[in-house]
Amino acid sequence: EVQLVESGGGLVQPGGSLRLSCAASGFTFSSYEMNWVRQAPGKGLEWVSYIGSGGTTMYYADSVKGRFTISRDNAKNSLYLQMNSLRVEDTAVYYCARPNCTKGVCFFDYWGQGILVTVSS
Amino acid sequence: DIQMTQSPSALSASVGDRVTITCRASQSISSSLNWYQQKPGKAPKFLIYAATSLQSGVPSRFSGSGSGTDFTLTISSLQPEDFATYYCQQSYNTPYTFGQGTKLEIK
Repeated sequence: EVQLVESGGGLVQPGGSLRLSCAASGFTFSSYEMNWVRQAPGKGLEWVSYIGSGGTTMYYADSVKGRFTISRDNAKNSLYLQMNSLRVEDTAVYYCARPNCTKGVCFFDYWGQGILVTVSS
Repeated sequence: DIQMTQSPSALSASVGDRVTITCRASQSISSSLNWYQQKPGKAPKFLIYAATSLQSGVPSRFSGSGSGTDFTLTISSLQPEDFATYYCQQSYNTPYTFGQGTKLEIK
């Protein structure tokens, strides 16, 4: 059974840092690209970041570029999101999501349960 | 970035109704359109990919159509468990943007 379990969230002051982790199991983690998606309270879904299966290709949403860094450790079946210079508007539930691709289309077929990050003074 | 616009933002309907949610892309995305369902406090659940293909295990009352810039999600006969928020997502190119969501409420 595929499982994605996020950890590392919590309350942090504006300007602070936090590192999220996502522990993957039930599939060959090293074969899959991975993503982070977030959802601010009462708002919609926002894609945050992507990392290729080998960990050398990364993309970021403009809203987090230069502040967030995605990484992975395939030996530990783990995905990370280092969040620096946090802003109040980064307050959200953060999900790790596994993409799958078929018929030339990619979609997020598995999601973690989500972890809340609250940025507040 | 490709902008995704859903309509309506909210919809009230009754059990047994047929409902349609529309998603429009700001440029052509071919058939690179996915649909998700989200219930309060839960992670999104993947429903449909490539505009029309139903994920395994998703009830056949859900269907998707469209290509290019205009897409629809149809639920043929609403069941109590279908009341949720629905999101479209384009995967034509990064960033894989989502629509703003359509909240389906019980009338």
